[in-house]
Amino acid sequence: DSGVTQTPKHLITATGQRVTLRCSPRSGDLSVYWYQQSLDQGLQFLIQYYNGEERAKGNILERFSAQQFPDLHSELNLSSLELGDSALYFCASSPRQGWTYEQYFGPGTRLTVT
Amino acid sequence: DAKTTQPPSMDCAEGRAANLPCNHSTISGNEYVYWYRQIHSQGPQYIIHGLKNNETNEMASLIITEDRKSSTLILPHATLRDTAVYYCIVRVASGSARQLTFGSGTQLTVLP
Repeated sequence: DSGVTQTPKHLITATGQRVTLRCSPRSGDLSVYWYQQSLDQGLQFLIQYYNGEERAKGNILERFSAQQFPDLHSELNLSSLELGDSALYFCASSPRQGWTYEQYFGPGTRLTVT
Repeated sequence: DAKTTQPPSMDCAEGRAANLPCNHSTISGNEYVYWYRQIHSQGPQYIIHGLKNNETNEMASLIITEDRKSSTLILPHATLRDTAVYYCIVRVASGSARQLTFGSGTQLTVLP
């Protein structure tokens, strides 16, 4: 158990819909990262937040957005869903101090768009 | 970030050491080598990291060559539960943007 929690575990929805994925980082971790893993693209970084502020952006579509709240939990919002958005979505958090970059990943949310 | 090259797959007998190689010939002096693994559809798991010295923890050992252009992750006594995709990642140790770039990794299969 990494200490990172993600809800829901599974999500099935239809094209055109909007969903929200939730992540709670490990206690004390200020950074939250979102990754997408699809069969054809592998694990891809989407976006990073640090203490409520966006720090880095990867291959995140404009239809997707995220935020980190004062209690440090984060939400990833996916809208106008397409079949190709079906994937595993992982959240990770990292320690607040130090130069090392180990990230601790949650169990993921499996999104199926039908 | 430096590009890494790993074999797509490897087998290892249960109880034997698993040695997973990684080439990172363009690594810079301020880049660390990280290893993660992902057991089928679970979240990736951090294993170990190093800069230039060999490192060991309760999970594995990391051997980095003197020129730092390659490294080997060693699982000393592989078990069936070590079957996973292993990712070697090279990343600078500076800046607040700390995202990881995952390649294709090595699928390690531990055989009974």
